[in-house]
Amino acid sequence: GQNIDQPTEMTATEGAIVQINCTYQTSGFNGLFWYQQHAGEAPTFLSYNVLDGLEEKGRFSSFLSRSKGYSYLLLKELQMKDSASYLCAVMDSNYQLIWGAGTKLIIKP
Amino acid sequence: DVKVTQSSRYLVKRTGEKVFLECVQDMDHENMFWYRQDPGLGLRLIYFSYDVKMKEKGDIPEGYSVSREKKERFSLILESASTNQTSMYLCASSLGDNSGANVLTFGAGSRLTVL
Repeated sequence: GQNIDQPTEMTATEGAIVQINCTYQTSGFNGLFWYQQHAGEAPTFLSYNVLDGLEEKGRFSSFLSRSKGYSYLLLKELQMKDSASYLCAVMDSNYQLIWGAGTKLIIKP
Repeated sequence: DVKVTQSSRYLVKRTGEKVFLECVQDMDHENMFWYRQDPGLGLRLIYFSYDVKMKEKGDIPEGYSVSREKKERFSLILESASTNQTSMYLCASSLGDNSGANVLTFGAGSRLTVL
């Protein structure tokens, strides 16, 4: 079956760096997405990786290794507003999205 | 600012009632989706549509139906609500190019409680 694994919850300190991991086993691969979802709000797009390597976008970076079925989202200079759930999703060979359960990130002052 | 609007943020219904969840997007997107989101689970696709009057079953279509009479509107229907349909329902849309980088724009969600 298809599976996306990510930690349920993580805690980090304001101003620090945190890495949220995502491992996947899917039928084919057409890209990996990260979305951010604040409590009670809509998920919003953060990043898309289809080739191996690191994509940097401001304080957020996303890394992909297709051979390892692995991605991470790196958040630098954490701010209180980064407290949210982070959803990892993989597009399979049929262009269908398979979603992880999300990682709830708690930022402490 | 592009938007996906879901008509109801919170609904409380009784078992057996018919429930309509409406979703409207103003981005001229071809693709529209209905997901449900439950604690500890990834988003699960109920139905999707790539064009007007077209619909495809997702992973968990049982107990649901959809309607897409206009490009901008995608409705989710629960013919006879049951308590196991208590959930957060998310509508999303995307461009129709079906490339890998098909970013979803989500609505804020409709939290349905079935008593």
